[in-house]
Amino acid sequence: GAVVSQHPSRVICKSGTSVKIECRSLDFQATTMFWYRQFPKQSLMLMATSNEGSKATYEQGVEKDKFLINHASLTLSTLTVTSAHPEDSSFYICSAIGSSYNEQFFGPGTRLTVL
Amino acid sequence: AQKITQTQPGMFVQEKEAVTLDCTYDTSDQSYGLFWYKQPSSGEMIFLIYQGSYDEQNATEGRYSLNFQKARKSANLVISASQLGDSAMYFCAMRKGGNFNKFYFGSGTKLNVKP
Repeated sequence: GAVVSQHPSRVICKSGTSVKIECRSLDFQATTMFWYRQFPKQSLMLMATSNEGSKATYEQGVEKDKFLINHASLTLSTLTVTSAHPEDSSFYICSAIGSSYNEQFFGPGTRLTVL
Repeated sequence: AQKITQTQPGMFVQEKEAVTLDCTYDTSDQSYGLFWYKQPSSGEMIFLIYQGSYDEQNATEGRYSLNFQKARKSANLVISASQLGDSAMYFCAMRKGGNFNKFYFGSGTKLNVKP
């Protein structure tokens, strides 16, 4: 299967700072990338869908100005949590799909802790 | 609206025995895809198996098989010869036919394999 990397795997920051998370498809071109948020013992909550070169499509209830998504190339998407607060602490997972695959491939996730 | 239902929050199975994890879905689309993912405690999402709505044969991948009953809209995952390493969360997901770029996830089932 294809490989998706995500960096950093863990980040601790102070309230009010911004945090950028990178998601890369390493061996395939991702036509679409997804960003999910997962609370403990819960399912994945889709935050947004991004296609290369176009604006991300956010799910209802997700603040666009809070969670900035940039999909600059076919292999890279970034999620920036702006002015992070403790309630933004969560596990963030990206995934990607390519034209040759049915399934989406997930990155290993980023655990964000905002103090 | 698309919906994935996993009615078993937790399951126990004895090592070496088979276990079935239930998944039902709701869609009016004719074309869709069904997936199962495994999430160990480390957090990464691991793709297990895929079933297309037009596939007549049940999908199989090693010890995993998908019991696809289209009329009942169910896509149960069967794990044969359970191993201790199978202990994890399992998520059923559906890829919508009209919009291939969106996945819907169930609430998950926590599987514990007992030695």
